[in-house]
Amino acid sequence: DQQVKQNSPSLSVQEGRISILNCDYTNSMFDYFLWYKKYPAEGPTFLISISSIKDKNEDGRFTVFLNKSAKHLSLHIVPSQPGDSAVYFCAASAVGNTPLVFGKGTRLSVIA
Amino acid sequence: EAQVTQNPRYLITVTGKKLTVTCSQNMNHEYMSWYRQDPGLGLRQIYYSMNVEVTDKGDVPEGYKVSRKEKRNFPLILESPSPNQTSLYFCASSHANPTDTQYFGPGTRLTVL
Repeated sequence: DQQVKQNSPSLSVQEGRISILNCDYTNSMFDYFLWYKKYPAEGPTFLISISSIKDKNEDGRFTVFLNKSAKHLSLHIVPSQPGDSAVYFCAASAVGNTPLVFGKGTRLSVIA
Repeated sequence: EAQVTQNPRYLITVTGKKLTVTCSQNMNHEYMSWYRQDPGLGLRQIYYSMNVEVTDKGDVPEGYKVSRKEKRNFPLILESPSPNQTSLYFCASSHANPTDTQYFGPGTRLTVL
C-alpha cells in the first residue's frame, strides 16, 4: 500500500519554463513533507520541506505547495534550468517524527 | 568536510556469502538509516537508528541486520545474501530526527549472483 505517490515517472520541461512535480499521500497522520533531489551516481540531497501548518514554503526558485484537504503537494521550479535535471523524491513523516516514507520519484529533464 | 561515507561503492558477490557494507558519518548525528533504491520502487527504508544501541526495522528489513555500537558507524549486514537483494543501497544520517535534513552517502551498488 503506497502511502506517498508520485504518479508521473518522468517530466520534460524547456529551460526557463516552470516545472511542476506532484505528490499525493494517503496517510492523514503525515504532518511534515520533504523533497529530495538525486543526481545519477550520487546520494539524494535535501531540497525543501513544509510543515502541515503551512500551505506554502519558498526557497529561491523552489516553492512547495501543500493542499491538506486534497492530500496533495507540489514542487514548483521557476525558472527551470538544465542543472535541475534529476530525480525528485517526495517524502513524508507522520506526527511524532516517524521515519520518512518516500515516493517512487519523478525524473525531471530540463531541455535547453 | 561533513560527509557520509559508504564502503564498498560497488560489490558483486554470490548467494549465501556474508557481507557487510560500512557507513560512517563525521557530523555527530544521532539518527542514521539505511535505504535501498530499486527501479520503479523508489527509496525504501531497511533499518534505522535513533542513537547508539537503538535500532529499529524499516519497511523492508528481511534479510538484513544492523548494529550501532558507536555514534558514527552504522554497518549493514547481509548474513546470507540472495539475488533479490541486488540493489542500490544508501546510508543517511541526520541531527536527531528523520525530518531533520538527512545527509546521504554516495551509494553502494550490490549485485548478488
